[in-house]
Amino acid sequence: GQSLEQPSEVTAVEGAIVQINCTYQTSGFYGLSWYQQHDGGAPTFLSYNALDGLEETGRFSSFLSRSDSYGYLLLQELQMKDSASYFCAVNSGGYQKVTFGTGTKLQVIP
Amino acid sequence: DSGVTQTPKHLITATGQRVTLRCSPRSGDLSVYWYQQSLDQGLQFLIQYYNGEERAKGNILERFSAQQFPDLHSELNLSSLELGDSALYFCASSPSTGAEAFFGQGTRLTVV
Repeated sequence: GQSLEQPSEVTAVEGAIVQINCTYQTSGFYGLSWYQQHDGGAPTFLSYNALDGLEETGRFSSFLSRSDSYGYLLLQELQMKDSASYFCAVNSGGYQKVTFGTGTKLQVIP
Repeated sequence: DSGVTQTPKHLITATGQRVTLRCSPRSGDLSVYWYQQSLDQGLQFLIQYYNGEERAKGNILERFSAQQFPDLHSELNLSSLELGDSALYFCASSPSTGAEAFFGQGTRLTVV
């Protein structure tokens, strides 16, 4: 089966940098995705890593190490609107089954 | 707008009843996923369909069932409802590559 671990809560200051880690155990692996979800809203896609290394998209970057079964999401120049839950998700299986972690609630404080 | 449509947006029903949640995936997406999210909880994978066939099953109760129709829309049927079934139910769709899943706005089910 699949399991993912990420911290349940993180607090960071506006303008700072925060890293949200994700470790996973899976019987098949195609890639690691990150999603953002504001309270009461739907998850929205942020990034996807299929290969080792860093992917950068604006203020957000995502890193993957397949040998360590580990990835992280890096948020820079934090803004208050970044306060949300962030989920890592593993794409696995022949039909790209997506399994989500339990989510990290990020609180950005002034 | 993700392109995934879920109906209804809200549903209030009594214990013991049966409801059907509907999902229309993005045009061209063959995979449909159903997730349950209880208050302040993560996303619990229920079931996945690919081009009309069930492909993966998660922690879906026997009282729950789903199907994907030839036009690729999907329905999640919840029966003998209990108070603990109150949650947000999300549908997501993805193209065959599965790198990105697009979520609907969810159906908020309240069982009273």
